[in-house]
Amino acid sequence: KQEVTQIPAALSVPEGENLVLNCSFTDSAIYNLQWFRQDPGKGLTSLLLIQSSQREQTSGRLNASLDKSSGRSTLYIAASQPGDSATYLCAPDGGATNKLIFGTGTLLAVQP
Amino acid sequence: GAGVSQSPSNKVTEKGKDVELRCDPISGHTALYWYRQSLGQGLEFLIYFQGNSAPDKSGLPSDRFSAERTGGSVSTLTIQRTQQEDSAVYLCASSPDRATYEQYFGPGTRLTVT
Repeated sequence: KQEVTQIPAALSVPEGENLVLNCSFTDSAIYNLQWFRQDPGKGLTSLLLIQSSQREQTSGRLNASLDKSSGRSTLYIAASQPGDSATYLCAPDGGATNKLIFGTGTLLAVQP
Repeated sequence: GAGVSQSPSNKVTEKGKDVELRCDPISGHTALYWYRQSLGQGLEFLIYFQGNSAPDKSGLPSDRFSAERTGGSVSTLTIQRTQQEDSAVYLCASSPDRATYEQYFGPGTRLTVT
């Protein structure tokens, strides 16, 4: 059974800092891994999708890496802004149906 | 284009009543997923549709929960005889294909059982 752990659970940084969010998962037999952000009371916004054959994906100030064999992914946010404040969720898929298995998230607060 | 939509956005119901939650996926997306987000359990998978078939129902918590999808499009999640522990946000996601594509989420339906 896939289990996903995200560290840290919460993070507060001053604006402009670069930061790294960590995700680990127990079953390396995945097709994809997605990173999402969730704002309070809102749905999930997809940030990046990494396919199992890829090692990283970049979108703007975001870079996500995947080391499938060790069951780890990281999300790097460069030059953080107050608008980046949200909960960040890591979700590798589990099984042939690509259902997503979610971690408990990292609550990020970027102080102006 | 239009994203995934869900209705209602909020639903308050009395314990023991039945509720129906609706999901309209992105047009052309063959894969559809239901998830639930609750305070005690985090975000968990409920059911997966490929077209109108549901090959994976492993996440449905009890036989009070059922779902269907018609015309390869709209899906309805039904909860019978609601209980207080059913209170959660129910999220729907769609994907062009199950294999290698992103899942796009709707805004969710917040269900409160009183």
